[in-house]
Amino acid sequence: DQQVKQNSPSLSVQEGRISILNCDYTNSMFDYFLWYKKYPAEGPTFLISISSIKDKNEDGRFTVFLNKSAKHLSLHIVPSQPGDSAVYFCAASSGGATNKLIFGTGTLLAVQP
Amino acid sequence: EAQVTQNPRYLITVTGKKLTVTCSQNMNHEYMSWYRQDPGLGLRQIYYSMNVEVTDKGDVPEGYKVSRKEKRNFPLILESPSPNQTSLYFCASSWGLAGAETQYFGPGTRLLVL
Repeated sequence: DQQVKQNSPSLSVQEGRISILNCDYTNSMFDYFLWYKKYPAEGPTFLISISSIKDKNEDGRFTVFLNKSAKHLSLHIVPSQPGDSAVYFCAASSGGATNKLIFGTGTLLAVQP
Repeated sequence: EAQVTQNPRYLITVTGKKLTVTCSQNMNHEYMSWYRQDPGLGLRQIYYSMNVEVTDKGDVPEGYKVSRKEKRNFPLILESPSPNQTSLYFCASSWGLAGAETQYFGPGTRLLVL
């Protein structure tokens, strides 16, 4: 049972345009959401996060939106740059003492010059 | 430089031959975890540790062991590897709980079990 789903395995966007990556979750106990970015042959690196008490968090070109009623979050990258080409993982946590993140399956973003 | 290191980066082995993947962090983090990444499944937690001598199972612990004798090290042990353990493995560490702190990942270890 996949509690965090990224239904688009890949996305291609032109440089300068907006990239929108989507993520759905099923567990209403999740209260913290993160996006990680992964380049080939490297480990994932943290990109941006959002608490369930917020509906938007912005950091430079990256904005994450959370719609709790729809159990949906999205990552917007504006403007997209070729260096943004990577696999993006959505992750969720329900707190507690397990230090557990539940990851989605990832979306491969390709930004075309 | 703050980092999580893993060794080896690539490993080919045969079924049943015990192996250890080492993980070390230099950030004095209390929390460490092991994940495996498989196509179509994302990253799944194998084991985690909240401090020295404190470890617990994640979502997919079968066939793995861990130990945390020192704060900086968290080795992953496969006592009798099987082909279904062929995967990409990541070690991660953080100051606090995953919901409050971001995790720092190592570069990954790609394991092939024949």
